[in-house]
Amino acid sequence: GEKVEQHESTLSVREGDSAVINCTYTDTASSYFPWYKQEAGKSLHFVIDIRSNVDRKQSQRLIVLLDKKAKRFSLHITATQPEDSAIYFCAADMNYNQGKLIFGQGTKLSIKP
Amino acid sequence: GGIITQTPKFLIGQEGQKLTLKCQQNFNHDTMYWYRQDSGKGLRLIYYSITENDLQKGDLSEGYDASREKKSSFSLTVTSAQKNEMAVFLCASRLQGNQDTQYFGPGTRLLVL
Repeated sequence: GEKVEQHESTLSVREGDSAVINCTYTDTASSYFPWYKQEAGKSLHFVIDIRSNVDRKQSQRLIVLLDKKAKRFSLHITATQPEDSAIYFCAADMNYNQGKLIFGQGTKLSIKP
Repeated sequence: GGIITQTPKFLIGQEGQKLTLKCQQNFNHDTMYWYRQDSGKGLRLIYYSITENDLQKGDLSEGYDASREKKSSFSLTVTSAQKNEMAVFLCASRLQGNQDTQYFGPGTRLLVL
């Protein structure tokens, strides 16, 4: 079945720098790739997604890139701020209409002052 | 906007006990999900339901039952709690169709003594 690998388990960047989190997936039929943020002690909060009909999407400081050939997608957080510190999960869909998602293991992002 | 509520927030059980977790959403979403999150790991799908009275197994359904009593509510039962089990159970919902975003509830934290 589909597997989603999140390459960085932890990531530390200096405030103001960019952070990049990379994910790969195995199922070529996957067409929807959301990202979620989990702050300490809280639930998952949707941040941005990308569909397979585009290869780039931006929402304010967040950029998602999708490389379908390499089955790879990434989240770029520009001009990082302390409130960006959290665990970020990538996911890929297994079945478009039912929205079954396979999640990566999560990346703990720390922003250093 | 809408909200997903999960009850209880914390659940302490005994080994072998049957435990029920509840989830309510007022988004009027069609599909609802139950995930399990273990410390340091991603989310694993237990059960999901694409409409009232529908039930679909996820990868982790063994040891659990679920019930979609009505569109707005989805319950999960741990059929026999395992000693020293500790996990967070997350409920999510999604509108069927083009709206792919899954929204998550705050979670129920389970500890089995």
